[in-house]
Amino acid sequence: AQSVSQHNHHVILSEAASLELGCNYSYGGTVNLFWYVQYPGQHLQLLLKYFSGDPLVKGIKGFEAEFIKSKFSFNLRKPSVQWSDTAEYFCAVNAVDSNYQLIWGAGTKLIIKP
Amino acid sequence: GAGVSQSPSNKVTEKGKDVELRCDPISGHTALYWYRQSLGQGLEFLIYFQGNSAPDKSGLPSDRFSAERTGGSVSTLTIQRTQQEDSAVYLCASSLWELSYEQYFGPGTRLTVT
Repeated sequence: AQSVSQHNHHVILSEAASLELGCNYSYGGTVNLFWYVQYPGQHLQLLLKYFSGDPLVKGIKGFEAEFIKSKFSFNLRKPSVQWSDTAEYFCAVNAVDSNYQLIWGAGTKLIIKP
Repeated sequence: GAGVSQSPSNKVTEKGKDVELRCDPISGHTALYWYRQSLGQGLEFLIYFQGNSAPDKSGLPSDRFSAERTGGSVSTLTIQRTQQEDSAVYLCASSLWELSYEQYFGPGTRLTVT
């Protein structure tokens, strides 16, 4: 069965630190990849997505993610975090030739210390 | 325009009672999804609607769970004879069409079964 692993359940950083959140998936075929974010008290919202093309994708608020097919990874990065980035981040994967479903990671809670 | 709305935002119920959770998707979105998010877990897929039909009910955890969608719009998730393990946040999402994958989430209903 397909699965998505987010290795860090909790991450605490100081402002201006660099961020990398790991996401690995288990599926050998073509995938669509997503990062969603849930700020405190708000809805889940799409941060960025990869469908095809340039494996380095840029999203909102200075986030980017790199798809490395050989490593089955889609790690999320930001060079310099802000206190407002405190949120929970979810990685999700769709197996293109499977169905419409998104398979979700368990999420990473990110806390930025001011 | 208006986003996905869900009601109630919070529901506390006694074990054994039935509950109904409602989702209003974004107008014009044909696909609607229900998920469950338990503490510290990722999103667990429950059911998906394309129009009024549910091609995939595979995620419903038991026959106590059912859902319907009428008029290609509003959906209701019903949990009969609630159990304490049903306590979770129930999220609804909609997307423009089945294969768009970009899902727009509502704020969720926090269900507590006492």
